[in-house]
Amino acid sequence: GESVGLHLPTLSVQEGDNSIINCAYSNSASDYFIWYKQESGKGPQFIIDIRSNMDKRQGQRVTVLLNKTVKHLSLQIAATQPGDSAVYFCAETFGTYKYIFGTGTRLKVLA
Amino acid sequence: DTEVTQTPKHLVMGMTNKKSLKCEQHMGHRAMYWYKQKAKKPPELMFVYSYEKLSINESVPSRFSPECPNSSLLNLHLHALQPEDSALYLCASSQDAGTEAFFGQGTRLTVV
Repeated sequence: GESVGLHLPTLSVQEGDNSIINCAYSNSASDYFIWYKQESGKGPQFIIDIRSNMDKRQGQRVTVLLNKTVKHLSLQIAATQPGDSAVYFCAETFGTYKYIFGTGTRLKVLA
Repeated sequence: DTEVTQTPKHLVMGMTNKKSLKCEQHMGHRAMYWYKQKAKKPPELMFVYSYEKLSINESVPSRFSPECPNSSLLNLHLHALQPEDSALYLCASSQDAGTEAFFGQGTRLTVV
């Protein structure tokens, strides 16, 4: 069986709905943030990034919001599709080569 | 092209073996990284090479030895590993600090 502490937070959404995945980052000095998507057995895939001088950035079907006051980052996925099912990680860095990852959220898309 | 290529995809090795993981990128990136990822956990930084010099070693045991032969290649030499070292080993690259970092598909390592 699974051990306590090995469960990823899970977000379940209906196909076609919008998804919002949240991340609390740790360092108020962090100035660059990336969202990654990781499918089972694969490496993390770059989705979108944002710098600390911005509050919002949009890509294709995805939007990242940054709230520096409360050190919060969110990823919004519009019209969620089955192919969006994966684990999503935020990563932060503060002008160095250290990209620190959050704990991750599993997104499950229900048909 | 945002491809980082890692070989092999899978590796099973005994505790007395010596093996190497390889990583290659042709994006002209000047920073290359090794991360270790255990199941249901985020990637953890091990090493960073910037401009072909080791710039970060996150207190990794000496049984892991990185090497950067040139700006496109990164190796991770493995020797006398333990079963708890079994994990997904990920290579990444970025143009510089604080820029987009792209990952390879990883090497699934099993130590028996």
